[in-house]
Order: sequence, then C-alpha cells, then structure tokens
Amino acid sequence: QKEVEQNSGPLSVPEGAIASLNCTYSDRGSQSFFWYRQYSGKSPELIMFIYSNGDKEDGRFTAQLNKASQYVSLLIRDSQPSDSATYLCAVSGGSYIPTFGRGTSLIVHP
Amino acid sequence: EPEVTQTPSHQVTQMGQEVILRCVPISNHLYFYWYRQILGQKVEFLVSFYNNEISEKSEIFDDQFSVERPDGSNFTLKIRSTKLEDSAMYFCASKRGPGGSNTGELFFGEGSRLTVL
Repeated sequence: QKEVEQNSGPLSVPEGAIASLNCTYSDRGSQSFFWYRQYSGKSPELIMFIYSNGDKEDGRFTAQLNKASQYVSLLIRDSQPSDSATYLCAVSGGSYIPTFGRGTSLIVHP
Repeated sequence: EPEVTQTPSHQVTQMGQEVILRCVPISNHLYFYWYRQILGQKVEFLVSFYNNEISEKSEIFDDQFSVERPDGSNFTLKIRSTKLEDSAMYFCASKRGPGGSNTGELFFGEGSRLTVL
C-alpha cells in the first residue's frame, strides 16, 4: 500500500513569513512528486512538480526532494492571505498515477 | 487556457439509482482519470483510462462503477446502483503524456458533487 503522509495542520503563519509544508512517502520506487493547492470546495490545482533530488524554485514556491529520506517539502516565501488553502502532496511511481496525501491546511493571517 | 470540464456540478440522487457523471478532458490529452474525495478526506484514485480501455483501477472501483469514452470528447463515470457511501466529490483529470518530464502534469476539472440520500 503506497502511503503519502502529511501533517493535517492547520499551519498558521503571519503574512510575509515563510510557510514550510512537509510530506513523507512510503514507496521507495516513487519517481514524480507534486504539490497541489486546494481551496475549500474546489479542485486541486498544480503548483509544483519535482523529479530530481534537490530544490526547484518557481516564484515564491520552492519544492525540495530528498529521495534517500523519502521526504518532499514545499516552502512558500512571503506568504499571503490568498495562500490560505489546503496543500496536497502527491507521489507517483512507474504507473505515473499520483497518490495523494490528506493535505495540510495553511492559514496565513494578516 | 484549455480546461477539463465536468457536468453536473452537483447531483442529488436516491440510493439505488444510477448516476452518470460527465467529463470533457483537454483536447490533446491522452490519459484520463477519475478521482473522488469524500468530505474532509483525501483525494482517492478510482480509475485511469488510455487508448479506449481501463489501464489501472483501485479497490474502490468495483463492479458498480464503469467508465466509457462514448465519442471523441466525453469521458463518463457511471455508478450503477448508488450507495450512501458514494456521496463524494468526483474529479475528472487528464494529462497529455504518460508521465515524467512535462507530460506528467495532471489537470483536474472542477468536480461533480454527488449526494446520495
């Protein structure tokens, strides 16, 4: 059974701060790693994907992957109230079908 | 920007009734998926579809469920005899290629909320 674990939160950060979201996965054969944002009642929206160990930056977002530790994280710099949402970590292996974690609720307060 | 569209946005049905949820994937995408999300729970994979056949399905996707691509654009999920526990948001998703590089990005529709009474 492939498991993707996230702390459900909520993670509360002040506006302008860095939000750090973490995810661990059980399948060592996992190859692709995704972060989705989901607003309440809406569908998941892809923010970042990462395939190789290390960091990948896109604007205010940085994804970090450590395959040896089976760990992937998302950093959001200069957090804004509009970033308040649930962040879903998704992991896929050879079948390329993402398995989702439960998500971490992020609250950015002014 | 191309998007995945789903209908209906919300359907209420009686237990035991058949339901068909419809999706129009992005036009140049080849891989199609159905996921569901029970309220407050995680997004769960149901089934994937490629080249006019099911490529993979989860334990949830039992004999009550079926998928079809009846024409060149629509992709449907049928629940033959709905149960109370089928109440969930059902998401259709599509992607351009098999995975890896830039083709592995999954695009989701806005979802169809199914309420079974």
